[in-house]
Amino acid sequence: DVKVTQSSRYLVKRTGEKVFLECVQDMDHENMFWYRQDPGLGLRLIYFSYDVKMKEKGDIPEGYSVSREKKERFSLILESASTNQTSMYLCASSIQVLMGTADEKLFFGSGTQLSVL
Amino acid sequence: KNQVEQSPQSLIILEGKNCTLQCNYTVSPFSNLRWYKQDTGRGPVSLTIMTFSENTKSNGRYTATLDADTKQSSLHITASQLSDSASYICVVSGDSNSGYALNFGKGTSLLVTP
Repeated sequence: DVKVTQSSRYLVKRTGEKVFLECVQDMDHENMFWYRQDPGLGLRLIYFSYDVKMKEKGDIPEGYSVSREKKERFSLILESASTNQTSMYLCASSIQVLMGTADEKLFFGSGTQLSVL
Repeated sequence: KNQVEQSPQSLIILEGKNCTLQCNYTVSPFSNLRWYKQDTGRGPVSLTIMTFSENTKSNGRYTATLDADTKQSSLHITASQLSDSASYICVVSGDSNSGYALNFGKGTSLLVTP
């Protein structure tokens, strides 16, 4: 089974701190994604990556950056955490989309509940 | 703007009963529609994926239907169990023009009681 592992289930940080959220997948997937999930808003895409050292902005990239130095690892960075970044963060991975099929299945990690005080 | 609307927002049913969750979308054109189950405090897990040419797909007690003409999908749960208590999320994928962008619904929260 595919395993997507997020390094922390719960994190508490202070405003202004630099925060690193780590995600590792063990199935050699090309695609990796970071989402945040807030009550009443559903999942929103922050950043995604289709290859090593490659990144693309999602719908809400402001205040975040990412790093993908190795295929299996995708890190989300909050340069200066703010209270409005308190949220559940979900990492996901999938195989490379094949043209015309678009049938990739997303595999999610268990999530990191981040609280910024 | 592409939208995915789910109803009801929340639902409470007795163990053993059936229920149906709805998903209406405006994503067009679209390539596939997915249903995910998310247990509290966990990441979503895929239940079904249907392309625009499929009408129904089952996964155990879960059956998803799709009407691409009316842009509606439903997820039917048969003989509910306590472990079915979760949030169910409908996700519609755009086509190659949108880079197969995923559009998420806000989910239906289901509680199954003894």
